[in-house]
Amino acid sequence: GNSVTQMEGPVTLSEEAFLTINCTYTATGYPSLFWYVQYPGEGLQLLLKATKADDKGSNKGFEATYRKETTSFHLEKGSVQVSDSAVYFCALAGAGSYQLTFGKGTKLSVIP
Amino acid sequence: NAGVTQTPKFQVLKTGQSMTLQCAQDMNHNSMYWYRQDPGMGLRLIYYSASEGTTDKGEVPNGYNVSRLNKREFSLRLESAAPSQTSVYFCASSSGTGGGGGNQPQHFGDGTRLSIL
Repeated sequence: GNSVTQMEGPVTLSEEAFLTINCTYTATGYPSLFWYVQYPGEGLQLLLKATKADDKGSNKGFEATYRKETTSFHLEKGSVQVSDSAVYFCALAGAGSYQLTFGKGTKLSVIP
Repeated sequence: NAGVTQTPKFQVLKTGQSMTLQCAQDMNHNSMYWYRQDPGMGLRLIYYSASEGTTDKGEVPNGYNVSRLNKREFSLRLESAAPSQTSVYFCASSSGTGGGGGNQPQHFGDGTRLSIL
């Protein structure tokens, strides 16, 4: 079956530091890949997505590139802010499937 | 901009009690989903409805039932609550149709925090 593995947290960074959260996946065919963000007390929000190999998703300064050869979709941001403190989830949807498979989430804390 | 609305936001039940979690979306989406979120487990799909009139089991359906009441509403019922069902429950919707539903982003409600004693 499909699975998503993302780096365990928590991750604590100083403001303006570089962020990488690793995500690798196992799936047959060509899944769609997503990053969702969850702020405290809220539901998940879509951060970015990529639907085919070599696509780069980007939003709010965050980027992730769909790497078929390494089955990865790492999340990066060049300069984090305190407001980026949240839990980040990597997820995939198998081709033609309605089901999202989530990683366990990575909690990011950014300190001033 | 209501999006996906879940009620109630908090609930405490005793073991063996029943309850229904309500979810409504105003985005005219075809597909709706129920997840549970437990510490260290990410989100796990309980049931989903690809379109009005259809429902299917997800990864962890045992102990739950669902009803797709109409295109807007998708409810989750616990018939006899157990402490293992203590969790945060999220409803989501997406515009997916046909076989391509999975690559459409899902929009989430703010969750129902359920404790079962």
